[in-house]
Amino acid sequence: GAVVSQHPSRVICKSGTSVKIECRSLDFQATTMFWYRQFPKQSLMLMATSNEGSKATYEQGVEKDKFLINHASLTLSTLTVTSAHPEDSSFYICSATTSYEQYFGPGTRLTVT
Amino acid sequence: AQSVTQLDSHVSVSEGTPVLLRCNYSSSYSPSLFWYVQHPNKGLQLLLKYTSAATLVKGINGFEAEFKKSETSFHLTKPSAHMSDAAEYFCVLSEGYDRGSTLGRLYFGRGTQLTVWP
Repeated sequence: GAVVSQHPSRVICKSGTSVKIECRSLDFQATTMFWYRQFPKQSLMLMATSNEGSKATYEQGVEKDKFLINHASLTLSTLTVTSAHPEDSSFYICSATTSYEQYFGPGTRLTVT
Repeated sequence: AQSVTQLDSHVSVSEGTPVLLRCNYSSSYSPSLFWYVQHPNKGLQLLLKYTSAATLVKGINGFEAEFKKSETSFHLTKPSAHMSDAAEYFCVLSEGYDRGSTLGRLYFGRGTQLTVWP
């Protein structure tokens, strides 16, 4: 089946710094990728929809200047958390779509100290 | 409005005993419903999906789910739990483009952690 990877799997950063998370579709091209955020004991919440070559569409309440998304190719999307704060600590999951299904990455655990 | 409620945050069973993970949904339209499993450090894997073709849906690894419109439920079951079934399970609703497609916006339940004791 289709495989989606994320890098890094875990990252710890200091408050005020920026962190970049990569999402790659390894064996297929994905015109659309999604970014989700998961708080402990809570469900996945869609943050943004990313289409290759165009600006991401952010969900209501998600700060686009804080969570920068770049989808430069059909196999790579990046999420950059700018000026991270402890409240940004969370589990970030991406997904990539074929013509019919979403396939999910393994997630990135971000801890901001 | 669309929403998904997983009634149990944690379920524990002994190996070889039945598994029941409960899910209720709310949808303005005829929904597509899915169950995903997430093992530690792995991506979400699709277990099964309901697309209105049949109310009893069979998935991978012996899991199945029954769509009950009158109860707005889509509970996941397995007759006999295995140690390898220990994982987080998500019930998901889609307002997707086609029946059974996950291309549309997905609504996730908060997950049920399944523990299997030897």
